[in-house]
Amino acid sequence: AQTVTQSQPEMSVQEAETVTLSCTYDTSENNYYLFWYKQPPSRQMILVIRQEAYKQQNATENRFSVNFQKAAKSFSLKISDSQLGDTAMYFCALRPNTNAGKSTFGDGTTLTVKP
Amino acid sequence: EPEVTQTPSHQVTQMGQEVILRCVPISNHLYFYWYRQILGQKVEFLVSFYNNEISEKSEIFDDQFSVERPDGSNFTLKIRSTKLEDSAMYFCASSGGPGNTIYFGEGSWLTVV
Repeated sequence: AQTVTQSQPEMSVQEAETVTLSCTYDTSENNYYLFWYKQPPSRQMILVIRQEAYKQQNATENRFSVNFQKAAKSFSLKISDSQLGDTAMYFCALRPNTNAGKSTFGDGTTLTVKP
Repeated sequence: EPEVTQTPSHQVTQMGQEVILRCVPISNHLYFYWYRQILGQKVEFLVSFYNNEISEKSEIFDDQFSVERPDGSNFTLKIRSTKLEDSAMYFCASSGGPGNTIYFGEGSWLTVV
């Protein structure tokens, strides 16, 4: 069984500042992938960033970066230079590298970027 | 950029009616999924489908649910006799391989009245 925990139901940040969203997980798999998805009010699920567990280097994607601590099973998302369009629900997800490969999602963190 | 498309975007149905939600996965993808999200809750896995059969299903995916890939491009979710608690956003997703990113469609919002 695998679990994903997001301990921050809501967060807010001033425009142009930096915010970090937390995620911890548990899995018995050795080979897996971690994702952050963004869900704006339209409710579409948009991939923000992905991390392969076998890679030590933290993934980055423009203003988005992660702090992946494998031993601690922690996978936080840092958003730099926050923009109003970043306002959304953010979900952390875990996917084992198996054929079924179902993703398990956290409860989500609602991020509000204030002008 | 290729995308997963879903129809309808919104459907209202009477309790007890059958509903079919349709999805066109990304064309070279081999793995297909249905997830659902009840309003205000997290995204929950329903079923995965590979090589024309179900790979894995959750406890939510009971006998009232079924999936099918009738023509090699569409991937459908059928809910046989809808209940009020089936009201949710249903997301179709696909990926190219076990380690690949899962890409989601825009969702089908089902309201059962």
